[in-house]
Amino acid sequence: QVQLVQSGAEVKKPGASVKVSCKASGYTFTTYSMHWVRQAPGQRLEWMGWMNTANGNTKYSQRFQGRVTITRDTSASTAYMELSSLTSEDTAVYYCARARGIWPSYYFDYWGQGTLVTVSS
Amino acid sequence: QSALTQPASVSGSPGQSITISCTGTSSDVGSYNLVSWYQQHPGKAPKVLIYEVSKWPSGVSNRFSGSKSGNTASLTISGLQAEDEADYYCCSYADSSTWVFGGGTKLTVL
Repeated sequence: QVQLVQSGAEVKKPGASVKVSCKASGYTFTTYSMHWVRQAPGQRLEWMGWMNTANGNTKYSQRFQGRVTITRDTSASTAYMELSSLTSEDTAVYYCARARGIWPSYYFDYWGQGTLVTVSS
Repeated sequence: QSALTQPASVSGSPGQSITISCTGTSSDVGSYNLVSWYQQHPGKAPKVLIYEVSKWPSGVSNRFSGSKSGNTASLTISGLQAEDEADYYCCSYADSSTWVFGGGTKLTVL
């Protein structure tokens, strides 16, 4: 069965970076693109960016442009999301989500369990 | 880009129907039939209910239905059940290979 398993919770200081991993299983990793979505405590879902896992191309939300980097290791069926220059406003649960469909007709059919990133001095 | 606009909360009694709106712009909802809807229970990851405005993914109840008119998409839940109490989010393709979510709507089943 399809599973997306994310790395564990992180506590970071302001100004630091965090890298969250998302290991996929149960399907061919490069067949589906991977998106990252975050949710601050009590707040809405916020789309951050995505990667075409077949060719490595990425696109990021303007809100995070310059601070977020999505990468992959196809041999490990794992996607990564790195966010730099963290502030307290980046405290959130970060999700990876598999996109089903043909671009741009994507919808997110499987989600990771979420990774809580806490930014605190 | 700004979040799509959803009502903060809606409520209904068991068995009733409710509708949640999702208003965007001509750069997202209005230009593409690429709106999806997600249900999120507290502490859980979202679950897709509807894609491409009105299509059902495999395994999703047809009590959930979607539509769109102009810049506004809607999710209707019929035959409300206690387990439908959750947060609901719309999501739309929004030009230049980006996507945008709505602000979320909390559904209370009375």
